[in-house]
Formats: sequence, C-alpha cells, structure tokens
Amino acid sequence: GAVVSQHPSWVICKSGTSVKIECRSLDFQATTMFWYRQFPKQSLMLMATSNEGSKATYEQGVEKDKFLINHASLTLSTLTVTSAHPEDSSFYICSARPYLTVAKNIQYFGAGTRLSVL
Amino acid sequence: DQQVKQNSPSLSVQEGRISILNCDYTNSMFDYFLWYKKYPAEGPTFLISISSIKDKNEDGRFTVFLNKSAKHLSLHIVPSQPGDSAVYFCAASANNAGNMLTFGGGTRLMVKP
Repeated sequence: GAVVSQHPSWVICKSGTSVKIECRSLDFQATTMFWYRQFPKQSLMLMATSNEGSKATYEQGVEKDKFLINHASLTLSTLTVTSAHPEDSSFYICSARPYLTVAKNIQYFGAGTRLSVL
Repeated sequence: DQQVKQNSPSLSVQEGRISILNCDYTNSMFDYFLWYKKYPAEGPTFLISISSIKDKNEDGRFTVFLNKSAKHLSLHIVPSQPGDSAVYFCAASANNAGNMLTFGGGTRLMVKP
C-alpha cells in the first residue's frame, strides 16, 4: 500500500517551454501533497505544499508563477514548470500524506522526475 | 539555519556488522521523526519513524533511538546487508507546523560484501 506514482520520470525540453509533472496517490486519498526539489548531492528542499481544492502554499524563495501547482482531486497533484530555463534543471519529487492514517506525519514519495532544460 | 543535521556525509560498513546513522536537530518543537532511504534517481522510501513520546522503535533489522534531551536520533541497521547501500535521510516534523517534513542532508551508507 501507499504507492505514489510520478510521471514522467525524465523529461528533456528546450528553454522557454513548459513542463507538467503529475503526482498520483494510487491506493489512498491524499488531501495534502508536497513538491520537493533536490540538487545533486543535496537534501530535499520543500518547494510547496498542495492542498486539495485550495491554493498551494509556497516556501520562501519559490516563484509561484514559475512553478504552478494544481491539486484537483484527492489523488492527483500537478506541478508545471513554466518557461523552463537551464537553471530549472533538477530532480523534482512529490510526496503525499494519506488522509486517513494514524501515522499522519508520514509522507510517501514518488520516484521523482529528472528535468533537463537545454 | 539547518534545523536537522546529519553530520556524516558517508559511512562505510562491512556486511553483517551494525550500521549507525546519526541525526541531530535544533527545533525543540519537533515531535515526530522519520528515516527515509533513497537510491539515486528514485524517490525516498519510508523506513521507520518514532514519536517524541518514545525513545526507541524497532522494525526488523532497523531500530531508531531518540534522545530528546540531546536532540539526537540514530538509526541502527543490524546486520547490515549490501542492499542497504543507499543515502539515508532523517526528517522531523512538528505538529504545530502542519506536520511538514524538514530533512537532514543525508548520509551515504556503503555496505561492503
């Protein structure tokens, strides 16, 4: 149980294009999903917290117009990197927190998406 | 300001021996702690967690110890296996902060056959 699917796993795009990354909780409902970014050999940095049916909460320094987050249902959140530039190249990981669970603090992670912007 | 620190970037252990990964935190409001295992180009996998009301939690070969007074937790893996080789992240959350996770920098564990 507690499987989170993230798609695509790898995307290469030209500078200036937009890229959408999907995050789905496959066997549980998640009112809250999180988006992280990981630079090489560094830890996971929280970008934003996504709540179903409401606007995402962005961490300081994260441009909300650059990284559009939509959490349309209890099992799906999307991150769109708009007008991507080479400096946006990174490993993006989503996680989901089950709605009904005793261990409410546990987040389950997707496999990540490697974005390469040429 | 790093609220969660893993001071050892890497650790090498012989197969069959014990692996001890350490984690320190500064925020006294943290009340739940987790360990995740991560392979390259994959998302972290949840391993084990502990609430601040406990000082030990065990699950198979994995045991997490929490020392609240020292603001220190550790993950013990015994016996270590080559398949345990990965990067291990500790994370902490506070009930009054929306239970968001704050991650340490990670420790790369290498278990030699």
